[in-house]
Amino acid sequence: GESVGLHLPTLSVQEGDNSIINCAYSNSASDYFIWYKQESGKGPQFIIDIRSNMDKRQGQRVTVLLNKTVKHLSLQIAATQPGDSAVYFCAENAEGGGYSTLTFGKGTMLLVSP
Amino acid sequence: DVKVTQSSRYLVKRTGEKVFLECVQDMDHENMFWYRQDPGLGLRLIYFSYDVKMKEKGDIPEGYSVSREKKERFSLILESASTNQTSMYLCASSEQGLYGYTFGSGTRLTVV
Repeated sequence: GESVGLHLPTLSVQEGDNSIINCAYSNSASDYFIWYKQESGKGPQFIIDIRSNMDKRQGQRVTVLLNKTVKHLSLQIAATQPGDSAVYFCAENAEGGGYSTLTFGKGTMLLVSP
Repeated sequence: DVKVTQSSRYLVKRTGEKVFLECVQDMDHENMFWYRQDPGLGLRLIYFSYDVKMKEKGDIPEGYSVSREKKERFSLILESASTNQTSMYLCASSEQGLYGYTFGSGTRLTVV
């Protein structure tokens, strides 16, 4: 909701710029990663995912890069639009007790100016 | 369009009340999850379920319980609501295996 963005790192860009949002993950055994977008007052929305046997995956205007050596994930948004303004979360799978769940990062707020 | 539906967008409850948050998914997903989201703390897993009548504790289960009597419905129960349970609650579902979650729109609960 509206308060999700408090305390978050913020990336401010101009409309039309390319945006890069970064995420450091913690578990070298994680083998599945996802980026979510959360607009104010809404639940997180799936953007793109990548498995650990890949280092790059492209979607529509978005690209995810995975660097397993340094445990780093990035989301690139091409030609950023005002509608891209939101909080972006990365998530990694976590194994425990025989089950796999997703662990989410704290998020980055993207602000796009017209 | 696939959906996860949370029954309430906003709730206000009194301290000590028993609170039920309902979540229904129409995708025939095996897995369902409850998270809470707080500023500065991100999304934290409360409980999850991999099958009907099955439940597993997440990272912060204290003060909560869950019920999954049918595959499509996963309920979160606050046994005795407290002010520190004021939060945004998010339900999600997924297929078995390594797949992303589909989230509901969230329920913003205020305990007074």
